[in-house]
Parts: sequence; structure tokens; C-alpha cells
Amino acid sequence: DSGVTQTPKHLITATGQRVTLRCSPRSGDLSVYWYQQSLDQGLQFLIQYYNGEERAKGNILERFSAQQFPDLHSELNLSSLELGDSALYFCASSSIKGGGFGDNEQFFGPGTRLTVL
Amino acid sequence: TQLLEQSPQFLSIQEGENLTVYCNSSSVFSSLQWYRQEPGEGPVLLVTVVTGGEVKKLKRLTFQFGDARKDSSLHITAAQPGDTGLYLCAGALSTASKLTFGTGTRLQVTL
Repeated sequence: DSGVTQTPKHLITATGQRVTLRCSPRSGDLSVYWYQQSLDQGLQFLIQYYNGEERAKGNILERFSAQQFPDLHSELNLSSLELGDSALYFCASSSIKGGGFGDNEQFFGPGTRLTVL
Repeated sequence: TQLLEQSPQFLSIQEGENLTVYCNSSSVFSSLQWYRQEPGEGPVLLVTVVTGGEVKKLKRLTFQFGDARKDSSLHITAAQPGDTGLYLCAGALSTASKLTFGTGTRLQVTL
């Protein structure tokens, strides 16, 4: 158990819909990262928040948005869903600000499996 | 174009065999990490290497960072079924950059 929790574990929805994925980081971790993992694209970095502020952006679509709340939990909002958005979405947390290297270990949650029908 | 290419993509071996997984790039990385991911779970960090030529050992796993910091390898000695999983390398181009993950190597170790 990494200490990072994600809900829901599974989500099935239809094209055009909007969903919200939730992540609670490890106690004390200020950085939250969101990743998308699909069979053809592998694990892709989407966005990082540090202590409530956006810190780095990756391959995140305009239809997707995220935020980190004062209690440090984070939500990833996916809208106008398309079939190609079906994937595993992971949240990770770490204690420091950087993108992840050296002592900055990222702890991954169990993921949310999104299926768009 | 993937920044980090891993080979092989798939590997199926028997218990007791040795194996090496490679992670290659044309870019120079500030540091490189290796993760293992099991079905239904998120990736778990195995090791971080930061110095060119560095070798780190974790029980039966040996990790090496290339001298030029463009490539890395993971060698497993006497593989066990518990080693089964998806192995991912991930690199950071600089101290402030995000992690870029490799294409992954799916390992299956059978009895």
C-alpha cells in the first residue's frame, strides 16, 4: 500500500459525458501528479500540482482539467469523453516540488480504470 | 516518438534464468528510475540512478546507468515468478523537468 488513494477504482461511462477522478496523496506529500496509461501510449504524464498550484503540464488535453484543494487532495476532470480516453488514470504523490528524480520518489495510487462506451 | 525505448517489449522465461532489460534514448538524462508495475496496481519505484556509469544492486536485480547518461539496463539473476510484471524506466531531463516513462517491458516468469 503506497498510501495514495484513488476513487473510484472503475468507471464506465458513455461518450460525451463528464467524469471526476479523485486522489488523496500520502500524508504530508505536497505534490500530486496525474498520469494516463493506455496500451498504445504507455504511461503519459498529464499534470502536476504542488501545494495547490499547477507546477508542470504534460500531454493533457484541453478537455481535461485538474485542481488541488487546500486539504491537498486532487481531482482530475475529464469532459466530452471519447472512446480513446479509455485508459488507466494514476495519481502519484511526492514530498518535494520537482518533476521526480534523485530522492524525489513518486508513490503511485492503484489507479482508476475508465471505460468509455 | 518515444523518448525512452525499452527492449524487449515482452519476455517470457522460466524460473532460474537470467535476463536483461534495456532502456535507451538519444537524450541525456539527469537521472533515471526503474519501476515495476503489477496487474491492477500502480508502478512501484525500484531504484534511482543519477551518476553516469553508476551500478546499483537490489538483491537479485542489478541496475546500470550508462556512462553518457543516455541509457540504462536492468539485469535480473535467477528470475522467480514473483518478478513477473511490467518494468518501466523513467527519466528526468533536468532537475526541474517531469518524468518521462519508457515504453515498458512485460516480463513473465514461469515455473
